[in-house]
Amino acid sequence: GQNIDQPTEMTATEGAIVQINCTYQTSGFNGLFWYQQHAGEAPTFLSYNVLDGLEEKGRFSSFLSRSKGYSYLLLKELQMKDSASYLCAAMDSNYQLIWGAGTKLIIKP
Amino acid sequence: GAVVSQHPSWVICKSGTSVKIECRSLDFQATTMFWYRQFPKQSLMLMATSNEGSKATYEQGVEKDKFLINHASLTLSTLTVTSAHPEDSSFYICSARTGGSPVETQYFGPGTRLLVL
Repeated sequence: GQNIDQPTEMTATEGAIVQINCTYQTSGFNGLFWYQQHAGEAPTFLSYNVLDGLEEKGRFSSFLSRSKGYSYLLLKELQMKDSASYLCAAMDSNYQLIWGAGTKLIIKP
Repeated sequence: GAVVSQHPSWVICKSGTSVKIECRSLDFQATTMFWYRQFPKQSLMLMATSNEGSKATYEQGVEKDKFLINHASLTLSTLTVTSAHPEDSSFYICSARTGGSPVETQYFGPGTRLLVL
């Protein structure tokens, strides 16, 4: 079956760095998306990886290893506004997005 | 760019009534729109994929006669929850794909919170 695994909750300190991991098992693969979702709001797009390696976008970076079925989202210089859920979604061979349950990130001062 | 709007943002209705939710792509044409449902503290659940000018494709377990989807134009899709019941109370979110390629990013609307009394 198709499956996405990511931690349920993580806690980090303002100004620090945090890495949110995601492992996936899909029928075929057409890329890995990361979305940010604040409580009570819709998700907003953060990144898309389809090739192995690290993609950096400001304070946020996303990494993909296709051979390991693994991705991570790296957040640097954490700010209180980064407190949100982070959703990992893999696109399968039918171009369907398979969503993880999300990782709730709590930032403490 | 890539702004998606949804209306209304909040709906409270009585059991047995029908509710229509609109999803609009404001600055691009969306050949494909998606409707999701999200229960508290759970992940997004895809309900259906809507292509302009054709019938929607529903996910397994989603009743097509209960959740009517109309994608009448390249910028508008509607979801009608017919004869709503309390168990239909949820956060409904639409998304739209910016381009013709299926790997294009989905951009989400702000969501509609439905409460059925």
